[in-house]
Amino acid sequence: GAGVSQTPSNKVTEKGKYVELRCDPISGHTALYWYRQSLGQGPEFLIYFQGTGAADDSGLPNDRFFAVRPEGSVSTLKIQRTERGDSAVYLCASSPGTSLNNEQFFGPGTRLTVL
Amino acid sequence: AQSVTQPDIHITVSEGASLELRCNYSYGATPYLFWYVQSPGQGLQLLLKYFSGDTLVQGIKGFEAEFKRSQSSFNLRKPSVHWSDAAEYFCAVGAHSGTYKYIFGTGTRLKVLA
Repeated sequence: GAGVSQTPSNKVTEKGKYVELRCDPISGHTALYWYRQSLGQGPEFLIYFQGTGAADDSGLPNDRFFAVRPEGSVSTLKIQRTERGDSAVYLCASSPGTSLNNEQFFGPGTRLTVL
Repeated sequence: AQSVTQPDIHITVSEGASLELRCNYSYGATPYLFWYVQSPGQGLQLLLKYFSGDTLVQGIKGFEAEFKRSQSSFNLRKPSVHWSDAAEYFCAVGAHSGTYKYIFGTGTRLKVLA
């Protein structure tokens, strides 16, 4: 079975541009998470979906960041007016349920570079 | 607030030597604790997890970790390191205060000498 996939694997953009990062979770997983990993740091929570709804978006740094999961499967993280400080690896994880007993399975990440 | 501290940024060991990576957490209730490994270009892979019960947890690749409530620690150990263990290791605590996010430490990068 396929794991969590993320596209693109690398994205280079210019300051001020808009980017979309895609996450395909493991089939059947209802919970989906986005994390951001800056250089030399551990992953930091951004947002969590249960089904189609964002159950917790408290980790989004500001209103330039937005994420959707319209059909409860694929999710897209959208960043408007990118800034150099947005450069990081964006990780997606999925989980079969909404309890911490359920392991989160991580994708390989999208490395975003803002020039 | 919940937090995880990994005091060692880098650790170097010789192949065949034993390994212990430190992790301390701050959490008000019984924690859900995890160790993940991240190899270059790879996603995070779960090594082991602790939810309750036996405080010594066995994981994959010969790793184990011991939960010590009195020390708020969850250190990762391996009796004999292999060159393929060179990677970055992250300790995480699961926060279940209305959501199910993980809080990660800053990681420990392991280098293995031949």
